[in-house]
Amino acid sequence: QVQLQESGPGLVKPWETLSLTCSVSGGSISSYFWSWIRQPPGKGLEWIGYTSYTGSTTYNPSLKSRIAISVDRSKNQFSLKVTSVTAADTALYYCASFGGYNSPFDNWGQGTLVTVSS
Amino acid sequence: QSLLTQPPSVSGAPGQRVTISCTGSSSNFGAGYDVHWYQHLPGAAPRVLISGNNNRPSGVPDRFSGSKSGTSASLAISGLQAEDEADYYCQSYDSSLSGSGVVFGGGTKLTVL
Repeated sequence: QVQLQESGPGLVKPWETLSLTCSVSGGSISSYFWSWIRQPPGKGLEWIGYTSYTGSTTYNPSLKSRIAISVDRSKNQFSLKVTSVTAADTALYYCASFGGYNSPFDNWGQGTLVTVSS
Repeated sequence: QSLLTQPPSVSGAPGQRVTISCTGSSSNFGAGYDVHWYQHLPGAAPRVLISGNNNRPSGVPDRFSGSKSGTSASLAISGLQAEDEADYYCQSYDSSLSGSGVVFGGGTKLTVL
């Protein structure tokens, strides 16, 4: 069973860049698709984007201009960067894996809370 | 505004059956993309309840069932139990002129009375 673990700063200042990493264990990142999903406080799940193990990415159109997802196969990790963050980016951030565009997210990390505040 | 519409809340008494609807459009369900359902308990990661419209992963009780028809889908929970109180989300894929990608419903809070 693949296990995912998010890591990164819990506090980011407005207009700075949010950076998170998801470490994959119990399986190789060289298969499957790898995604980031977030949940703002009191709100629902929002898909951010995903990458394949080759580095091919697809992003949420509403976030596309500020998002970058990358994969590091040598470290079995993938990462998220969100630029120019505001309070609206405060959320619980999850990393997850899935088999492709018509598949569910079948493995999730526990989530990491990121707060945007000065 | 989510491309998949769910009721904000539903409720039922223990033992009863409840359904949660998820309304999509021609760019997601109508285009043939599958629906998946998740249960999200406080403090835990979301868990797949139903995949591929009506398939239960191993370990999911058969009290949970899913269906999809046209541009709508639904999750049914029978024999409601107190432990079923949670948030439920539908999810699919969407392909339109503005772009393609994963979409979630807004979520439905299930209260067991």
